[in-house]
Amino acid sequence: QVTLKESGPVLVKPTETLTLTCTVSGFSVNNPRMGVSWIRQPPGKALEWLAHIFSNDEKSYSTSLKNRLTISKDTSKSQVVFTMTNMDPVDTATYYCAGMQGRGFDPWGQGTLVTVSS
Amino acid sequence: DIQMTQSPSTLSASVGDRVTITCRASQSISRWLAWYQQKPGKAPKLLIYKASSLESGVPSRFSGSGSGTEFTLTISSLQPDDFATYYCQQYNSYWTFGQGTKVEIK
Repeated sequence: QVTLKESGPVLVKPTETLTLTCTVSGFSVNNPRMGVSWIRQPPGKALEWLAHIFSNDEKSYSTSLKNRLTISKDTSKSQVVFTMTNMDPVDTATYYCAGMQGRGFDPWGQGTLVTVSS
Repeated sequence: DIQMTQSPSTLSASVGDRVTITCRASQSISRWLAWYQQKPGKAPKLLIYKASSLESGVPSRFSGSGSGTEFTLTISSLQPDDFATYYCQQYNSYWTFGQGTKVEIK
């Protein structure tokens, strides 16, 4: 069974850098059939795709946020790491990691709520 | 960037109703479209991929259709468990979600 789980801080201050980790189990992060994305959802609002890493380490970023985002993977730990710089209160959201096997995002992690506040 | 527009934003319906949600893409995405169901406090659940393919385990009352720029999600007979928010998502060029459609009890 393929599962993903997000971890990281629940509270960050404005201007700080957010670092989140997605730990995957049941498949290798180098599996050519699976990539991993980060997606966020502000409270009461819609889903927003942020970044994706392919099995060959190719990366894609949201056009509007690309200057602030970095995605990488640690194969030895089966983890995908996501960073967002210069956090602002508008970045308060639930952040999800999700697998993409060419048919849509599945599975998803449970999500982690990150609040940006001083 | 490809924009996805869903309609309506909110839909009031009763158990047993046939429900249709529309999703329009700002440019052709062929059939690279997925639909998700999300309940409060939970991660989205994949229902349909490649516009009309039903994900394993999803009830057959859910169906999808369309190609190019216009797509629909239909629930043939709304069940109590189906009251939720539904999102379309394109994966033709990067990934973009629609703004969501909340299906609420009438």
